[in-house]
Amino acid sequence: NAGVTQTPKFQVLKTGQSMTLQCAQDMNHEYMSWYRQDPGMGLRLIHYSVGAGITDQGEVPNGYNVSRSTTEDFPLRLLSAAPSQTSVYFCASSYSGYYGYTFGSGTRLTVV
Amino acid sequence: DQQVKQNSPSLSVQEGRISILNCDYTNSMFDYFLWYKKYPAEGPTFLISISSIKDKNEDGRFTVFLNKSAKHLSLHIVPSQPGDSAVYFCAASEGGSEKLVFGKGTKLTVNP
Repeated sequence: NAGVTQTPKFQVLKTGQSMTLQCAQDMNHEYMSWYRQDPGMGLRLIHYSVGAGITDQGEVPNGYNVSRSTTEDFPLRLLSAAPSQTSVYFCASSYSGYYGYTFGSGTRLTVV
Repeated sequence: DQQVKQNSPSLSVQEGRISILNCDYTNSMFDYFLWYKKYPAEGPTFLISISSIKDKNEDGRFTVFLNKSAKHLSLHIVPSQPGDSAVYFCAASEGGSEKLVFGKGTKLTVNP
């Protein structure tokens, strides 16, 4: 049982480049979310989805896009990378808000 | 404005003793609370949760207490073990919403 799989684990981007962080889960969870974690900060919600075709913004959505075409996948797109987007990104999934989320192992992104 | 606060960045306890991690919240609409544990280079792992209709929830060595009037919750770990050394995050949501709000975390060190 793979759980939540994030790829890549590490990435270095140049300012202005775009890329997609991949997230896949095999637990048939409806809820999926993207968080970023910065030093000395908790996890902050970027975007979330409550099912295929349904997405919404979290606390820090600027500079990021998401889509949810299948239950399993929830990619996060950086449109034009900025140094302020240097962070560790976590994808998570759950049956509902009343269950604990299962997190992936994270993608460490550096924008230079 | 930080809605979920973990005011102690770190805590050190001896193996076998009790660890008490604290969390305060400001949003009176929060009614579901979770604790996550995070090891370095891994994603957070769900530990235990509590609904606002309860004031205590236990799971093995872990107990969460909720004081709604004080807007305060705490996680007790008894007895503490070296493997419990990790960063602990408190999180909250309204009505089991997919929008979790996290605290900044408390780093627990359990000394043998």
